[in-house]
Amino acid sequence: EPEVTQTPSHQVTQMGQEVILRCVPISNHLYFYWYRQILGQKVEFLVSFYNNEISEKSEIFDDQFSVERPDGSNFTLKIRSTKLEDSAMYFCASSDKRNQPQHFGDGTRLSIL
Amino acid sequence: ELKVEQNPLFLSMQEGKNYTIYCNYSTTSDRLYWYRQDPGKSLESLFVLLSNGAVKQEGRLMASLDTKARLSTLHITAAVHDLSATYFCAVDKIGTNAGKSTFGDGTTLTVKP
Repeated sequence: EPEVTQTPSHQVTQMGQEVILRCVPISNHLYFYWYRQILGQKVEFLVSFYNNEISEKSEIFDDQFSVERPDGSNFTLKIRSTKLEDSAMYFCASSDKRNQPQHFGDGTRLSIL
Repeated sequence: ELKVEQNPLFLSMQEGKNYTIYCNYSTTSDRLYWYRQDPGKSLESLFVLLSNGAVKQEGRLMASLDTKARLSTLHITAAVHDLSATYFCAVDKIGTNAGKSTFGDGTTLTVKP
């Protein structure tokens, strides 16, 4: 069964550095999402992406964050000048149609030191 | 601002028993999701509910949606240990294209023999 894959599984970065989290959505999917989950807390929506542009973004998704679909397969989340509070699990998801279930990757654990 | 409230937050039940998890939301929405998350794992989509009166069932889980009451329920029938997990509901802001979900705090279910 097709899967959403995320790399790396764990990223450790010094505060103030930039990180890029990578996702390969399922190949025929058109809708892409990033979520984050601080340890032990609820899931938070960051951004949705469709037709090569951001569809919706949350209040968390400020100028520090950006997303790209640089080619036909990858979907990346860039965090500039990371802060301690950016430490979390980041999940990528995709779906083929708007009202269909989203398929999630295994996540990237981001640790900011 | 869309708010999503789940209850209970913690649920311990015996195998074979039935129980219901509730998800209330504060403003009109056109999409509601139920997810399952096992400890240390990613999210798994369970149900997408789109319209008033929608009911979906998968195995021992059944989800329903009452848009007038802004309430969804996840009913567990004859619980088994394998259902132990955290269950999240998430509600989309109405009128969005790709979606902008607000998650509940999650219900951690423990099924005991």
